[in-house]
This record gives sequence, structure tokens and C-alpha cells, in this order.
Amino acid sequence: DAGITQSPRHKVTETGTPVTLRCHQTENHRYMYWYRQDPGHGLRLIHYSYGVKDTDKGEVSDGYSVSRSKTEDFLLTLESATSSQTSVYFCAIRQGTNTEAFFGQGTRLTVV
Amino acid sequence: DQQVKQNSPSLSVQEGRISILNCDYTNSMFDYFLWYKKYPAEGPTFLISISSIKDKNEDGRFTVFLNKSAKHLSLHIVPSQPGDSAVYFCAASTAYSGAGSYQLTFGKGTKLSVIP
Repeated sequence: DAGITQSPRHKVTETGTPVTLRCHQTENHRYMYWYRQDPGHGLRLIHYSYGVKDTDKGEVSDGYSVSRSKTEDFLLTLESATSSQTSVYFCAIRQGTNTEAFFGQGTRLTVV
Repeated sequence: DQQVKQNSPSLSVQEGRISILNCDYTNSMFDYFLWYKKYPAEGPTFLISISSIKDKNEDGRFTVFLNKSAKHLSLHIVPSQPGDSAVYFCAASTAYSGAGSYQLTFGKGTKLSVIP
């Protein structure tokens, strides 16, 4: 298995509260990605990183922020969670732009 | 604007027959394409990939074909097995170093059911 860990695996939170999801890798891969998976929408890119402190927005970045202060960790923050952010979140890592990406097991987030 | 499209939400195939999953893309800068399989409650797992300099790549029962002029790729699974029942995602990326580069863009997926 690729050395990628997501935490927490499950979380229930209330509307309006901040939430941070963590993605940790032991592979020293340059690229890291956050996706959300929703029925009928597939995997949609939220934010991605191409190096320490280098991040960019994806397709559905509104309401989310990210940080990457070291190679192994990529944090996704929901500043003020809303019910529309109830989803399954996946982190992925990738060594290069012409290589495969490895995914974590996912975090199921429920905003009530 | 969806850059990677999988127009068939589902596909049913008899065990032992060929499964063909299709994917279209719109961004001509895409130069690397991948297929992933996903079971419920698990992360996607990599199946097979193809570079834009090739038109075919084979790995066991899985073959990916790329038609750059049509901006179309397909995944062939032969023979199909019940364990292949899963959601299959097509993905594309580019090494172009410009705005939006380094992204890995996925389609919406096709749910394959292989009937015993």
C-alpha cells in the first residue's frame, strides 16, 4: 500500500464550525490533491499542491482552504462547515505528472 | 465545463464477455491518461495508464486505447469477471507548465456490473 493516511476517517460536525482534515504521506511525493466524491459528480478536485507552500485551486474550491507547510502533510480546512460540504473526501499523492496517483481511504464528513 | 466526460453512468456485461468503458476529453493539453477502479467505502485504485505518445497500452486483462484526434479513450476488460464489478473512473493530466497545470481531472465514473 502507498504510504498515505487520512485522518479522521469519519467526522460529524455542526454547521458553522471549522473542520480540518489531514492527509499524511511517507512517500516524499511532490504532488498532493484533495477531492470530494458525491453521487452523480464523480471525483471533483478541491485544491492541490505541487510543492511545499505551493497550492492552487481546483474545480470546487469555494469554502475550502489548504496548507502544506511540509512535504508529508496536506491539510484541508472548512472554515465554516455547511451541509453542502457533507461528502466523502479523498486525498491523493503523485510523484510526477506522468505517473499514477495513489489515494487514501477517504474521510466521510457529515455536517448537521 | 467538464473536461473529462464519461457519458455512460452504468454498464452491465455477462461474465466472460468484453467490457468496454469510454471516456472523452476536451482539453488538448492533456497528455497522460489513467483509469481507476473504486469499490464502495474504499479509495480509488490505479488500473492502467497511457501516455499521449502511444495509442495502446495493455496489462493483463486490461487494455486502454487512445484516439487523440477524436479526444477519446477506452478501457477494455477481457474476459470480464464478477470481481470487476465496481465504479471506473477515467482521469487526465498535463505536464504543461501553465495556469491549471499539475491538475489531475476525473470523469464522473461508470458503474460496471458483471453478471455471473
